[in-house]
Amino acid sequence: DGGITQSPKYLFRKEGQNVTLSCEQNLNHDAMYWYRQDPGQGLRLIYYSQIVNDFQKGDIAEGYSVSREKKESFPLTVTSAQKNPTAFYLCAAAAAGANVLTFGAGSRLTVL
Amino acid sequence: AQSVSQHNHHVILSEAASLELGCNYSYGGTVNLFWYVQYPGQHLQLLLKYFSGDPLVKGIKGFEAEFIKSKFSFNLRKPSVQWSDTAEYFCAVNIARPGGGNKLTFGTGTQLKVEL
Repeated sequence: DGGITQSPKYLFRKEGQNVTLSCEQNLNHDAMYWYRQDPGQGLRLIYYSQIVNDFQKGDIAEGYSVSREKKESFPLTVTSAQKNPTAFYLCAAAAAGANVLTFGAGSRLTVL
Repeated sequence: AQSVSQHNHHVILSEAASLELGCNYSYGGTVNLFWYVQYPGQHLQLLLKYFSGDPLVKGIKGFEAEFIKSKFSFNLRKPSVQWSDTAEYFCAVNIARPGGGNKLTFGTGTQLKVEL
């Protein structure tokens, strides 16, 4: 069935390590997004991509990196430069020109 | 930059009580407005949306929201809540662009707990 798959669901990382979160979609949507969800802060946009091989910084891009080599994939790397990486990360996708996002189930990252 | 405010962070209601969750945004131009809901253990999903036309929009599960342009508000309402409405609710705003493209700005969320 169509949707967005995020993996892993739970991830533990030691300080100083980079980690990559996977996001795959089979909706054939052009646009993909990464949000970070923290209690009491809602969802904040990290990076987004409107088309393959192109992406833009969101509101809190520092310490993160992305790539968009394929339409269906938009991995997020949380680097050691991210000061407070423990959070719930949500990936989303939307059709070109559409305004409704479809979200994945999320990945919970805990830095030990 | 656009911003979204949800003033109620935690709301506790008894079943059958009426619900109204506030949402205000700061942007003077044309906006698209959304309410998303996150039930415990489930994906974030769209509850309802407003693009244009009738400012009173109906969503799933008996929810509705009213866009009041003069107040920059998009409050969510339900006449009678059920225990199954327990969830976190997020208001979101997108600036309408001619060529499309999204950059949704979300509010901080309201955690609703409905007690039996």
